[in-house]
Amino acid sequence: EAQVTQNPRYLITVTGKKLTVTCSQNMNHEYMSWYRQDPGLGLRQIYYSMNVEVTDKGDVPEGYKVSRKEKRNFPLILESPSPNQTSLYFCASSKIPGQGPEAFFGQGTRLTVV
Amino acid sequence: AQSVTQLDSHVSVSEGTPVLLRCNYSSSYSPSLFWYVQHPNKGLQLLLKYTSAATLVKGINGFEAEFKKSETSFHLTKPSAHMSDAAEYFCVVSDGSVDSNYQLIWGAGTKLIIKP
Repeated sequence: EAQVTQNPRYLITVTGKKLTVTCSQNMNHEYMSWYRQDPGLGLRQIYYSMNVEVTDKGDVPEGYKVSRKEKRNFPLILESPSPNQTSLYFCASSKIPGQGPEAFFGQGTRLTVV
Repeated sequence: AQSVTQLDSHVSVSEGTPVLLRCNYSSSYSPSLFWYVQHPNKGLQLLLKYTSAATLVKGINGFEAEFKKSETSFHLTKPSAHMSDAAEYFCVVSDGSVDSNYQLIWGAGTKLIIKP
């Protein structure tokens, strides 16, 4: 079954404690991205990757890092989380976004930073 | 630059009556347009997409949307609402160009409330 898998689904952490949210897709997609969803703001792109070893900033990259060492995996790293990073996070993958092929989304990770 | 405006943050309809969720967009190129649905505590599911073929697009669960270039709109409709349609709906635009980093631009969302 084609899918994007994020882990964990829920996470509560304390300010400053490094964390990683994993994302894996089994569709051999080149393009992967991370979004955060906040009430009234829709989804905003944090980082994206066009292919292995190619990553770039989206609209809200501050406080986040990513890596793309393998095509299937695209982890999101918060080196020093702060309360304003409390949000719902989605990982997505697609062939070439916006040209017919849809983006496939993970189930989301609800992060709370206290 | 691309942008999306969903004109209503909340829409409330009675079960069995028509649904209209409004979306206007701005794009420098010929855009691709999508509607996604998010049920409470669930992920995002694609309802339908427009990619420069037929202007009236049919999606899942009886939803459809019409691309109107002259009005820069892509409104989502359904003839008869069902309780299971209660969810948040997102209109999304992408011009599919490398200039925009192939980015999907999301509207703020419209919460659809269905009254029994």
